[in-house]
Amino acid sequence: DVKVTQSSRYLVKRTGEKVFLECVQDMDHENMFWYRQDPGLGLRLIYFSYDVKMKEKGDIPEGYSVSREKKERFSLILESASTNQTSMYLCASSSSGGGNQPQHFGDGTRLSIL
Amino acid sequence: QKEVEQDPGPLSVPEGAIVSLNCTYSNSAFQYFMWYRQYSRKGPELLMYTYSSGNKEDGRFTAQVDKSSKYISLFIRDSQPSDSATYLCAMEAGNNRKLIWGLGTSLAVNP
Repeated sequence: DVKVTQSSRYLVKRTGEKVFLECVQDMDHENMFWYRQDPGLGLRLIYFSYDVKMKEKGDIPEGYSVSREKKERFSLILESASTNQTSMYLCASSSSGGGNQPQHFGDGTRLSIL
Repeated sequence: QKEVEQDPGPLSVPEGAIVSLNCTYSNSAFQYFMWYRQYSRKGPELLMYTYSSGNKEDGRFTAQVDKSSKYISLFIRDSQPSDSATYLCAMEAGNNRKLIWGLGTSLAVNP
């Protein structure tokens, strides 16, 4: 089974802090994704990466950056945390195998910015 | 208009009922269709995955795709309290790796 592990289940940070969210997958997947999930807004894509050191903006990249130095690890960085970034953050990975391959998710990090 | 529309519910049914969950979409280029189940405080897990039109069955779950009507459905037979969760539909046109998501339907199956 695919295992996507997010480093923290719950995190509380202060406004203005630099925040790092880590995600590791164990299936040698090429593609990795960061989403945030908010009530009434659903899942929104922040950034994704289809290879080491490659990244592409999703639908809401403002205020975020990412890093992918190794294939199995994808980090989301909040450069200067703000209260409107309080949310559930979900990491996912998928293979680049033939056709479309489904995404597999971690259990999320519930981030509160005070 | 959103690319994918999904009634958020909540939907409440008695144990043993047949549940029908639906999504409509506007982009005729979508070819890959997925249903995910998300329990409270957990990440979404893939439930069903279909390509193009037709039906796919897996145990108590059946996924249907009607591309002519731009409509997909998930049926749950003999529903159980353990099926209580939010069900999300997702779809993709192919090769751009980005999924387009419905907002999810909250389902409660009452014993």
